[in-house]
Amino acid sequence: DSGVTQTPKHLITATGQRVTLRCSPRSGDLSVYWYQQSLDQGLQFLIHYYNGEERAKGNILERFSAQQFPDLHSELNLSSLELGDSALYFCASSVGVVVAWETQYFGPGTRLLVL
Amino acid sequence: GIQVEQSPPDLILQEGANSTLRCNFSDSVNNLQWFHQNPWGQLINLFYIPSGTKQNGRLSATTVATERYSLLYISSSQTTDSGVYFCAVNWDNDMRFGAGTRLTVKP
Repeated sequence: DSGVTQTPKHLITATGQRVTLRCSPRSGDLSVYWYQQSLDQGLQFLIHYYNGEERAKGNILERFSAQQFPDLHSELNLSSLELGDSALYFCASSVGVVVAWETQYFGPGTRLLVL
Repeated sequence: GIQVEQSPPDLILQEGANSTLRCNFSDSVNNLQWFHQNPWGQLINLFYIPSGTKQNGRLSATTVATERYSLLYISSSQTTDSGVYFCAVNWDNDMRFGAGTRLTVKP
């Protein structure tokens, strides 16, 4: 158990809908990262938050947004969903005090299926 | 953007064998990481290794930043080593993953 929790574990929805994925980092970790893993695109970095502030943005679509709250949990919002958004979405956390991109601890992922 | 290539794409070993996985990248990077994804999908960060050599038990990694490659060594492989191994590079504020090496260790 990495100490990172993600909810829900599975999500089935329809095209055009909006969903919110939630991530709680390990106790004491200030950085949260979001990743998408799909058969087509492989693993992709989406976005990184450190202590509530956006620090890095990867290949994240404009239809997607994220935020990190004062209690350090994070939410990834996916809107106007398309079939191609079906994927496994991972959250990871790290201490992230001195060095970004340091050793990250991954949650179990949320599997999203868009029908 | 930076290209990350991993080889081989697939590797099948007998338990107890050693293996070397390679990660090549096309430009200078701030750092490099190796990950293992087990057959149940769980991702684990193995090494954070921008340069030099690190060892953790039967696994070790070497990154030669000047030549733009990294190697992951697995010695005395066990069935629990099966899964997909990814390398990922960081530069500026971005991160790029390779396509992975799928390792199958047979008992």
